[in-house]
Amino acid sequence: KNEVEQSPQNLTAQEGEFITINCSYSVGISALHWLQQHPGGGIVSLFMLSSGKKKHGRLIATINIQEKHSSLHITASHPRDSAVYICAVKAETSGSRLTFGEGTQLTVNP
Amino acid sequence: NAGVTQTPKFQVLKTGQSMTLQCAQDMNHEYMSWYRQDPGMGLRLIHYSVGAGITDQGEVPNGYNVSRSTTEDFPLRLLSAAPSQTSVYFCASSYRGGGADQPQHFGDGTRLSIL
Repeated sequence: KNEVEQSPQNLTAQEGEFITINCSYSVGISALHWLQQHPGGGIVSLFMLSSGKKKHGRLIATINIQEKHSSLHITASHPRDSAVYICAVKAETSGSRLTFGEGTQLTVNP
Repeated sequence: NAGVTQTPKFQVLKTGQSMTLQCAQDMNHEYMSWYRQDPGMGLRLIHYSVGAGITDQGEVPNGYNVSRSTTEDFPLRLLSAAPSQTSVYFCASSYRGGGADQPQHFGDGTRLSIL
């Protein structure tokens, strides 16, 4: 079992829909990252959080440390949101090392 | 600000050849790392460095060497390329810390094919 599990693996939505991507992890962590990988391959950091909730534009990330679970929400989805979304955790004992989930492929159709 | 710069973007090698993937960052980050990304798998850590002169192995280090002579540069060397090393390679950097507030900065990746 991977230390970081994401669901779903693939997600197709219509423009305007509310989207949720989930991330569960099995180790104690000091931080959780949400990353976006564009179709061209570049990886961009969206959020880093250790508690509560963060919001940036139409993106919202939440984390529940007790349940070892995080969600990434996209409101009013748009075709330009189509990308792979990756969850990564920094374990408490690993310094700056990250463990990555396999990613969620999101496709938003117009 | 260039951020994290990786070169080359694409490379095709023959089995047994050697090459170096370059990574440079201009943000004075202490921590640098190399990952490989393969279909159906998450990014896997190859080697990492917490500062100049200090390197350590990650999850999949076999067949790769690294060095960190300066804060800015962290090259990854393939000693004798094998088809199993066909992958997309990413370099990343961040400020070092055991805390929770260090965003990761990624390069654009190097797509490497070994024939």
